[in-house]
Amino acid sequence: DAGVTQSPTHLIKTRGQQVTLRCSPKSGHDTVSWYQQALGQGPQFIFQYYEEEERQRGNFPDRFSGHQFPNYSSELNVNALLLGDSALYLCASSVSGTNTGELFFGEGSRLTVL
Amino acid sequence: AQKVTQAQTEISVVEKEDVTLDCVYETRDTTYYLFWYKQPPSGELVFLIRRNSFDEQNEISGRYSWNFQKSTSSFNFTITASQVVDSAVYFCALVSDYKLSFGAGTTVTVRA
Repeated sequence: DAGVTQSPTHLIKTRGQQVTLRCSPKSGHDTVSWYQQALGQGPQFIFQYYEEEERQRGNFPDRFSGHQFPNYSSELNVNALLLGDSALYLCASSVSGTNTGELFFGEGSRLTVL
Repeated sequence: AQKVTQAQTEISVVEKEDVTLDCVYETRDTTYYLFWYKQPPSGELVFLIRRNSFDEQNEISGRYSWNFQKSTSSFNFTITASQVVDSAVYFCALVSDYKLSFGAGTTVTVRA
């Protein structure tokens, strides 16, 4: 049973570019959440997707957008990259929301913006 | 708004010592869940324990135990007889309204 998989694992971009990160949830999970974890800090909630719609959003600008596909996989897009976007981006999956169930996390995509 | 505070940034112990991690949370919700996660160097966050706001019973699971006190909004976590493999960053988290809020994390180093 595959867990949460994310791609790519590492990538380097320059300021102003755009990036797309991908996530496949754990088998049987229908909800995907994205988190940004800057070095030395705890993960910060970006948004959550359920039934192909954004259900909740954290305090992130519109440059951060996402999508969920019918197979429950998800993408995170970041436009007009800034140096401060350098971080580990974590995807987590769960079943129909996170209020009661624990999240299963992938190993993350480490983005470096130069 | 909700907030999770982990006052300890780093803890270093010798193998077999007990380690207690402190967590204080803030929330206006009456129904919420508290979690502890472990993040090894690989980066993947691993779920350890969960507690809901209506259950203050403290439990032990293997070498892990936790102390949930609603009166002081604290959810402390203890690793008994620590091992080198316990070295990681530990995060306390609070979920409410579908959003999981993490503390800043406590780095635990267990020396052989």
